[in-house]
Amino acid sequence: ETGVTQTPRHLVMGMTNKKSLKCEQHLGHNAMYWYKQSAKKPLELMFVYNFKEQTENNSVPSRFSPECPNSSHLFLHLHTLQPEDSALYLCASSQGSGPETQYFGPGTRLLVL
Amino acid sequence: KNQVEQSPQSLIILEGKNCTLQCNYTVSPFSNLRWYKQDTGRGPVSLTIMTFSENTKSNGRYTATLDADTKQSSLHITASQLSDSASYICVVVSGGYNKLIFGAGTRLAVHP
Repeated sequence: ETGVTQTPRHLVMGMTNKKSLKCEQHLGHNAMYWYKQSAKKPLELMFVYNFKEQTENNSVPSRFSPECPNSSHLFLHLHTLQPEDSALYLCASSQGSGPETQYFGPGTRLLVL
Repeated sequence: KNQVEQSPQSLIILEGKNCTLQCNYTVSPFSNLRWYKQDTGRGPVSLTIMTFSENTKSNGRYTATLDADTKQSSLHITASQLSDSASYICVVVSGGYNKLIFGAGTRLAVHP
């Protein structure tokens, strides 16, 4: 395993639901990331946190709300999602937010009905 | 526009055979290039990282090449095994801003 865990692994939610994805890294890294992976498309970077501070938001809709209470934990709060938001959501961490190798979690497979 | 193109989109080979996956990029400035392996239902795992000055790098049966002049990279898999069935993603890191540009991946299936 990579040292990055994600829960839940699978999630089905309606468009009016509120849910949260959780990511935890046990590597002592300082940077954490959320990515969206849709079928047959490249990974899309959503958010970057460095030392608990958000350093990047790639024009992500406000129905996705990240939270980083400490360097080891990262959440993605979901609210009033659309069916096109169905995808694999991957969390990653790295020592810094530069060119270091990122270690990915297993992802949460999200289906929005 | 910074882009990473991978080919083929998918590939089926028989166990024991070799294969080569291609990656062309238009990212500038260039910092480094990475190949990741992503098993079904898992997150990507780094295989190799290559900087501008490196032409070849190996990791077991995986050998990556980089031609910075033509902006091409390849990943060669030798004596394929069933466990090599996965998506292989080429990632180019742009210099300066350290942005990661992801390719869409090549889905490899190794059949017995």
